[in-house]
Amino acid sequence: ELKVEQNPLFLSMQEGKNYTIYCNYSTTSDRLYWYRQDPGKSLESLFVLLSNGAVKQEGRLMASLDTKARLSTLHITAAVHDLSATYFCAVPPFAGGTSYGKLTFGQGTILTVHP
Amino acid sequence: GAGVSQSPSNKVTEKGKDVELRCDPISGHTALYWYRQSLGQGLEFLIYFQGNSAPDKSGLPSDRFSAERTGGSVSTLTIQRTQQEDSAVYLCASSFVSGIDTQYFGPGTRLTVL
Repeated sequence: ELKVEQNPLFLSMQEGKNYTIYCNYSTTSDRLYWYRQDPGKSLESLFVLLSNGAVKQEGRLMASLDTKARLSTLHITAAVHDLSATYFCAVPPFAGGTSYGKLTFGQGTILTVHP
Repeated sequence: GAGVSQSPSNKVTEKGKDVELRCDPISGHTALYWYRQSLGQGLEFLIYFQGNSAPDKSGLPSDRFSAERTGGSVSTLTIQRTQQEDSAVYLCASSFVSGIDTQYFGPGTRLTVL
């Protein structure tokens, strides 16, 4: 059974600081997704990482994937208040050379950026 | 273009009643997914449809839950004889192709069972 774990689950950051959120998953997969969720809102796609060593960057966020270690990181550089949200990683099952549609989500990391 | 839409946005019902939740996917997307989000269980997969293939129902929690997708577009999730533990936000997502493309989520339906 595929399990996805994030840490930390709660992250309180000062503006201007850097930090990393980690996402570990338990079985082989060929891709990983990061989503953002604002309070009372739905999920917004941030990144899709499609191969080992993939790195994607958007603004102050950078995501990477190590499929051998079954680990993805979401790095936050010089945090600003607007980044306050809950961040989820999600992984599809992979078997027989095929990636399937149903996503297993991590628990989410609640990020709060304060002055 | 228009995103995934869901209706109603909020639904309050009494225990034992049936409810229907609707999802309109992004035009051209062949895959449609249902998830639910609750404080206790996080984000859970329920069911997904890919084109004309048989749906993957492996996440449905009980036989009170069912879903259909008509004409390869709109989907309805039905919960029969609702229970208080069914209270959650039900999220619908769609993608071009299942397993490959990014899933885009709708705003969700908040279901409260009294």
